[in-house]
Parts: sequence; C-alpha cells; structure tokens
Amino acid sequence: AQSVTQLGSHVSVSEGALVLLRCNYSSSVPPYLFWYVQYPNQGLQLLLKYTSAATLVKGINGFEAEFKKSETSFHLTKPSAHMSDAAEYFCAVSDRRSSYKLIFGSGTRLLVRP
Amino acid sequence: EPEVTQTPSHQVTQMGQEVILRCVPISNHLYFYWYRQILGQKVEFLVSFYNNEISEKSEIFDDQFSVERPDGSNFTLKIRSTKLEDSAMYFCASSSQQGGETQYFGPGTRLLVL
Repeated sequence: AQSVTQLGSHVSVSEGALVLLRCNYSSSVPPYLFWYVQYPNQGLQLLLKYTSAATLVKGINGFEAEFKKSETSFHLTKPSAHMSDAAEYFCAVSDRRSSYKLIFGSGTRLLVRP
Repeated sequence: EPEVTQTPSHQVTQMGQEVILRCVPISNHLYFYWYRQILGQKVEFLVSFYNNEISEKSEIFDDQFSVERPDGSNFTLKIRSTKLEDSAMYFCASSSQQGGETQYFGPGTRLLVL
C-alpha cells in the first residue's frame, strides 16, 4: 500500500533561515508526489508536484522539492523563510493503482519566528 | 482563475440529522473527490467520482454517505444520519484528468455534529 510519512509535526525557523520539511513515501509503482499548503481557515493549495519528469521541482512562493528514488524522499525546501510562509504543509502521493486519490501525510506546521 | 467552491462554509447539525454538503467543481473537470480532515488529523480520502458513478470509496464511506452530481455542475456529499464522529472539515476536489494532474481543492465545509 502507498503511504507518506512526514517527520516533524512542527518545524520552527527564523525569518530568513532555510526551510526544510521532510517527506518520505512508500509506493510499489513510480509515484506522483505533491506538496500542498494550508493557510489557517483555508483549503489546500498546490505548491508543487513531481510526475516523473525533472527530479528537482520548483513551485510557487520560492519552494522547491527534490525527488530522490534511492531515499524514497520528496523533501520540501525554501532558501529563506518569510513570515507569510507560516502554515501547514502536506505531502501526498497519488494512488496510481486505482482512482489516483491522494494519500496524505500527517502534515507539518511551519512556524516562522521574527 | 477558476476555482472550486463549497457551500456552506460552516454547518452545525444535531446527531441523527441529514446534511448535504455542496461543491461546484471547476467547469471542465471530469474527476471529483471528497476528502475530510478531522481536527488535528490528516486529510483522508472519502470517495472519487467519474462519469456519474463512484470509482472508488474508502472504508469511511459507508451506507450513511452518498454522492451525486445532480445537474452537471454541482457535486454533493450527503450524510443521511450524522454521528458525532462525522464532525470534520470536508473538502471537495476536482481534476481535469487522472494521473499526475493536479487536484484543485475547495475551501472546505466545517461540519459540527452536536
């Protein structure tokens, strides 16, 4: 079965510091992987996705993620955190064996300190 | 920019009552999904819908749940007899294709069952 693990339910960084949010996946087939962001009281917004093209994927708001098959990882990074990045971030894998439903990780709440 | 909309944004109901959550997917999309997020937990898949029929449903989606697309634009989730444990945020999502296509999420309906 496919699954996603996000290490760290909370990550705190200073404004201007590197952001690193970890995601590891388990999949028996080549995965489609996604990062979504959820701001307070809002829905889920796509940050970026990996669909078997370039392994380094650039997304919105300066975020990027690198697909590493050998490590089964898809970590999300941003070189310099901004206060507006404070939100909950979800990694997800698309279940290619059935209806391509998204299987989400448990989420990581990013806190940005001034 | 096209977006998925959901109504109502909040719903409070008594246990045992029926509720209908409404979604208007993006107009040219063909694949529709419902997910839910219990407070403090991960986003969970409920059901996927294509070509006017359910393509996949989760264990959560029991006989108390139903979906339909009554008029070619709305996509509804009905809970026939709500339970306390149905309290959650319910998200609708749609995509134009399957595979690596992005699922676009609505802002959610927060359901509280008393």
